[in-house]
This record gives sequence, C-alpha cells and structure tokens, in this order.
Amino acid sequence: EDKVVQSPLSLVVHEGDTVTLNCSYEVTNFRSLLWYKQEKKAPTFLFMLTSSGIEKKSGRLSSILDKKELFSILNITATQTGDSAVYLCAVNTNAGKSTFGDGTTLTVKP
Amino acid sequence: EAGVAQSPRYKIIEKRQSVAFWCNPISGHATLYWYQQILGQGPKLLIQFQNNGVVDDSQLPKDRFSAERLKGVDSTLKIQPAKLEDSAVYLCASSLDWAGYDSDTQYFGPGTRLTVL
Repeated sequence: EDKVVQSPLSLVVHEGDTVTLNCSYEVTNFRSLLWYKQEKKAPTFLFMLTSSGIEKKSGRLSSILDKKELFSILNITATQTGDSAVYLCAVNTNAGKSTFGDGTTLTVKP
Repeated sequence: EAGVAQSPRYKIIEKRQSVAFWCNPISGHATLYWYQQILGQGPKLLIQFQNNGVVDDSQLPKDRFSAERLKGVDSTLKIQPAKLEDSAVYLCASSLDWAGYDSDTQYFGPGTRLTVL
C-alpha cells in the first residue's frame, strides 16, 4: 500500500523564523511529488518535483526531492503570519494514483 | 479562468438521511476526483473519473456512497444512508488529461463541510 508520512504534525514559530517541513514516501512506480498549501478548505498548488536534487523555488519557499532516500523537504524562510496553513504533500504514481500525507499545521505568531 | 465549483458549501443532516454533493470542474479538465478529508487528516481519495469512466474507486464505501459523472463534465457524489463517521469535508478536484506531468497538478474546489448528527 502506498504511504506518505509528513513531519512534524504541527509547528509553531514566530515571524521571521525559518521552517523545514518533511515528507517521506513509499509508493510503487513514483512519478511526482507535489506540495500544496491548505488555508480554510481548498488546497492550492505550490510545487511539483520529479527529479532528484533539483530545487524548486518561489519567493521565500523552496523544495527539494531525494528519490534515493524517498523524501522531500519544504523550506520557508522569513516566515510571515500569512504562511500559517496546513501544508500537504502528495505523491503520484505512473498508474495515475495520488496519495496525500496528513499534512503539517504551521502556525506563525507575530 | 473559472475554478472548480462545488455546492453546497455546508450541509447538516441526521444520520440515516441521504445527501448529495455537486462538482463542476475546470473547463477542459478530463480527470475529476472526489476526496474525503476528516479533521486533522489529509484528503483520502474516494473516486477518480477520467472523462465519464471510473479510474479508481477502490476506497469508495460502495454500500452507501455512489458517484457519477454524466457526459464527462460535472459530477455528483451521494451518501445514502449517512453515518456519524461521514462527517468530513468533501473536496472535488480536477486535472488535465491523465497523461504527462501537467495532469499531476490538481485544482481543488472550496469543498462541502458535512456534519452528520
């Protein structure tokens, strides 16, 4: 059975801190790993990673994939209160199946 | 570009009643997903359609849940009869045709929060 595990489950930081969120996976026929941000209800897309060692970056957020060790990290630098959300990791297989982790709840305090 | 539309946004029902949710995906998206998200957990796939055919419904509790996607566009998910443990947010998502990396990005609707009393 495909499995995606995120850690930590929750995290509380202060504005300006840097955070690292982790996602490890065990799936058959890996194709891609995606990070989503979920505020209120609907998850919104952040990054898609398909190749090892290539960092994806968008402003203060960045992510990298290690296909050998089967994990990905999402970094957020200089956190702001608007970064408070649940961050979801999802892994897609070549069979077109998506498996989500349970997410990391990030709270950024002023 | 209009996003994924869902209705209703909230629904409260008594156990053993029935309920239906509606989803209209982004225009041109061939793949449609229904997820159940229980508080504190990640989305769990209930059913995945490719156009109007079912790709994966292995986690759909078929004794009480049903879904259809007539004409390969909008979709309805029904629960009959509802149980207390069905209380959750039901998310609909869509993606481009199920081939290639572009299809891996899913676009989610606002969800329906179901409370079963």
